[in-house]
Amino acid sequence: DTGVSQDPRHKITKRGQNVTFRCDPISEHNRLYWYRQTLGQGPEFLTYFQNEAQLEKSRLLSDRFSAERPKGSFSTLEIQRTEQGDSAMYLCASSGRTANSPLHFGNGTRLTVT
Amino acid sequence: RKEVEQDPGPFNVPEGATVAFNCTYSNSASQSFFWYRQDCRKEPKLLMSVYSSGNEDGRFTAQLNRASQYISLLIRDSKLSDSATYLCVVGSSASKIIFGSGTRLSIRP
Repeated sequence: DTGVSQDPRHKITKRGQNVTFRCDPISEHNRLYWYRQTLGQGPEFLTYFQNEAQLEKSRLLSDRFSAERPKGSFSTLEIQRTEQGDSAMYLCASSGRTANSPLHFGNGTRLTVT
Repeated sequence: RKEVEQDPGPFNVPEGATVAFNCTYSNSASQSFFWYRQDCRKEPKLLMSVYSSGNEDGRFTAQLNRASQYISLLIRDSKLSDSATYLCVVGSSASKIIFGSGTRLSIRP
């Protein structure tokens, strides 16, 4: 079990650019989550996948954000036309098939939009 | 009103003290409850799940009160290494897992 891995760890981009983050969940986990966290706040839910199906998406997620999990394994989160307000830590988590399984987080991708 | 509310703290207590945090949740249909620990600029890590009958893991005790819709975390004999932010997490389904804003704890020598 290598845990949840995220890439890159840090990303600095200029406003208006597109960015893409990758998450590799724990291999036997079928549930995958993306959260966003800013300083002094708890993680804020963005989207949820069960296998390859995106079953839930936060109303906070504008149409500039899109996530995929094409084969039910790794996932990508893309932000188009980045804005300074997108600067945050983007956290990916996965969990197992049993009910009430806890989330296991990756190290996160810290995005800075200049 | 937030779905999961915590006292943000900070709690500043001496080493060896006992400290308790509470967390309230608004959705009475919530089914899963957890406490996570988060160190500065790190990812959240599971501290413990919270079960209906209450549960203990070493110096840590978690309680759930469904009638009043709150969960609690008690830390006994606190150590310097317990300094962190403690996040209350409540799930009402696999897709709806909500985090509180966290309670900051600082243990002083």
